[in-house]
Amino acid sequence: EVQLLESGGGLVPPGGSLRLSCAASGFTFSTYAMSWVRQTPGKGLEWVSSISGSGDGTTYADSMKGRVSISRDNSKNTLFLQMDSLRAEDTAVYYCAKSDCSPIGCKLLPIWGQGTMVTVSS
Amino acid sequence: DIQMTQSPSTLSASVGDRVTITCRASQSISSWLAWFQQKPGKAPNLLISKASTLQSGVPSRFSGSGSGTEFTLTISSLQPDDFATYYCQQYSSASPTFGQGTKVEVK
Repeated sequence: EVQLLESGGGLVPPGGSLRLSCAASGFTFSTYAMSWVRQTPGKGLEWVSSISGSGDGTTYADSMKGRVSISRDNSKNTLFLQMDSLRAEDTAVYYCAKSDCSPIGCKLLPIWGQGTMVTVSS
Repeated sequence: DIQMTQSPSTLSASVGDRVTITCRASQSISSWLAWFQQKPGKAPNLLISKASTLQSGVPSRFSGSGSGTEFTLTISSLQPDDFATYYCQQYSSASPTFGQGTKVEVK
C-alpha cells in the first residue's frame, strides 16, 4: 500500500524556520516526482513546490520562492521542505503528494499524505 | 499563473439529485484537469484525471467532461457519502493551480 507520512509541523514565530519531512512507502520512491501542497481556510489549496524523481529538477511557487527549498533522500525514501523567514500567512496544513511519473513536469497528484499543520505566530 | 474558477461555491442538494460543478481556466489547458474530493480533516482524494478519466475505485456516478477552458464534474445520483468539497486542478503548466472549491451540502 502506498503511504506518505508527513512530520515536522508545529508552532513557529514569524521569521522562524521549519523543516518538514515526508516518509514514503509502498512504491519505488526514486521513480516519482513529489510535491508539497498547502491548504489554508482563506486561500484553499496552493501548490508550493515539486521535485523530480532523481532530485535534479525543482520548481517553486512564486509566493514562497527564495524562502523554501525542496529536497529528497532517495536512499531513505524521504521528501523534505525547508521553510525559512516564515510569515503568518504561511500558516496552513502542508501535504506531500506523489506524482504519477518522474520528470519535474509531472504535476498530477494521485496520492497525498495526511498533512502536517504549520502555525506561524508569536 | 493559470487561474481556475469554480462555480458554484456552495451547492445544496438532496440524495438522488444530479449535481454539476463547473471549472473554468483562464487559458487553455487542453485536457490537463483533475477533480478531487475532500472531506473535513482529510487529504484531497483524486477522482478524475485528464478531464474525464475515472480513477480506479471511484464510483461510476462520477463523470468529468470538457477541454480547453471549460470543464464539468457531474454526479449522476448524489449519495450520502458524496457530501464533501470538490476541487479542480490544472496540471498543464509548471505551476499547477486549484479552483477555490465547491462545497456540496445537504439541502
